[in-house]
Amino acid sequence: EDQVTQSPEALRLQEGESSSLNCSYTVSGLRGLFWYRQDPGKGPEFLFTLYSAGEEKEKERLKATLTKKESFLHITAPKPEDSATYLCAVQAGGGSEKLVFGKGTKLTVNP
Amino acid sequence: SQTIHQWPATLVQPVGSPLSLECTVEGTSNPNLYWYRQAAGRGLQLLFYSVGIGQISSEVPQNLSASRPQDRQFILSSKKLLLSDSGFYLCAWSALGTTYQPQHFGDGTRLSIL
Repeated sequence: EDQVTQSPEALRLQEGESSSLNCSYTVSGLRGLFWYRQDPGKGPEFLFTLYSAGEEKEKERLKATLTKKESFLHITAPKPEDSATYLCAVQAGGGSEKLVFGKGTKLTVNP
Repeated sequence: SQTIHQWPATLVQPVGSPLSLECTVEGTSNPNLYWYRQAAGRGLQLLFYSVGIGQISSEVPQNLSASRPQDRQFILSSKKLLLSDSGFYLCAWSALGTTYQPQHFGDGTRLSIL
């Protein structure tokens, strides 16, 4: 069974304090790994897609990386507006359109 | 640009009442459409997805059904709601493509069953 585990469940940082969020996965034939940001009461907002091990994507203070078993979302010098829940999802092979989501990491950045 | 609309934003329903949630997508044709449920402390759970009009795949046996009467319209329904149907319901779309396309979500419907 395809599984996604995100850690930590919650993370508190001071403004400017860089850190990383982890997403480990077990999937048969990875077709894509996705990172989303979700603000309270809103739908997830798409951030990145990673397709193969070694791939990296960047957007402002965020950088996502992928290995064969996990992905990291690095946050460099975060600001309070980066506070949100970050979700990781994988799509397995076999032709299914299904995404399997982790439970998310709730990030709080204090000023 | 593409946009996705869900309504209502919040809904309070009594146990045993019917349900109809609607989702529409603008700015694209032939999208894949999805219904998810997000319960507190749990990840997003895929309920239904559709690759075309009248084509619905169910991921989880439950008290809900889905229909796609038009290309860019996706409806989630129930004949009799249960307490366990409470949650945050999200609609999403993705484009067709040769590589996997990301899913884009609406802002959801918060459903409370009393």
